[in-house]
Amino acid sequence: QSALTQPPSASGSPGQSVTISCTGTSSDVGGYNYVSWYQQHPGKAPKLLIYEVIKRPSGVPDRFSGSKSGNTASLTVSGLQAEDEADYYCGSCAGSNNVVFGGGTKLTVL
Amino acid sequence: EVQLLESGGGLVQPGGSLRLSCAASGFTFSSYAMTWVRQAPGRGLEWVSAISGDGGRTYYADSVKGRFTISRDNSKDTLSLQMNSLRAEDTALYYCAKNMGRQFLNGMGVWGQGTTVTVSS
Repeated sequence: QSALTQPPSASGSPGQSVTISCTGTSSDVGGYNYVSWYQQHPGKAPKLLIYEVIKRPSGVPDRFSGSKSGNTASLTVSGLQAEDEADYYCGSCAGSNNVVFGGGTKLTVL
Repeated sequence: EVQLLESGGGLVQPGGSLRLSCAASGFTFSSYAMTWVRQAPGRGLEWVSAISGDGGRTYYADSVKGRFTISRDNSKDTLSLQMNSLRAEDTALYYCAKNMGRQFLNGMGVWGQGTTVTVSS
């Protein structure tokens, strides 16, 4: 159960778009449409942003979008806002009986 | 409003046991898979265990298999995690999470605030 690979950091200015990648293998990200993305502010519980690669739970702004190509999934945050500064984690099913997370990406809004 | 409230964390010696609980409210508990996720201090998220809505199927990370047991009581809307043979590396904040549906694979839509487990002599 190796962790998915995310860049440790990403940044952008207010109003810009930023994309965070999440790379796995054909046994996890590439093999299933069960990729999810979470946002975590310091000292807070994670919040689901995207599930099943592209779906957004109700209440999540459409500035957040997900996609996948091969073994790499991506989260794009458009129209960056100061409150988007947080840690972001991807997760994927890895076979029929377990889940694996990425190491996390710290997003800084410049 | 959907709420999850974890309890049962604390300080335990290596080799000891602890039982975590998660009280759920605001949704039809038995209709959703549930998951435990942990986060060691200053580290990322780690999936620990999941259970189907009816409790008939359970799943574990290799790191806890054989030591942890997940269970649920749908009559009391409660999720539990029995943790035995605890190790220092089990030290973390443990979150209870409600999955998006009956499948535990499709994401965790609601999270509790977590309960802290510290394994130390």
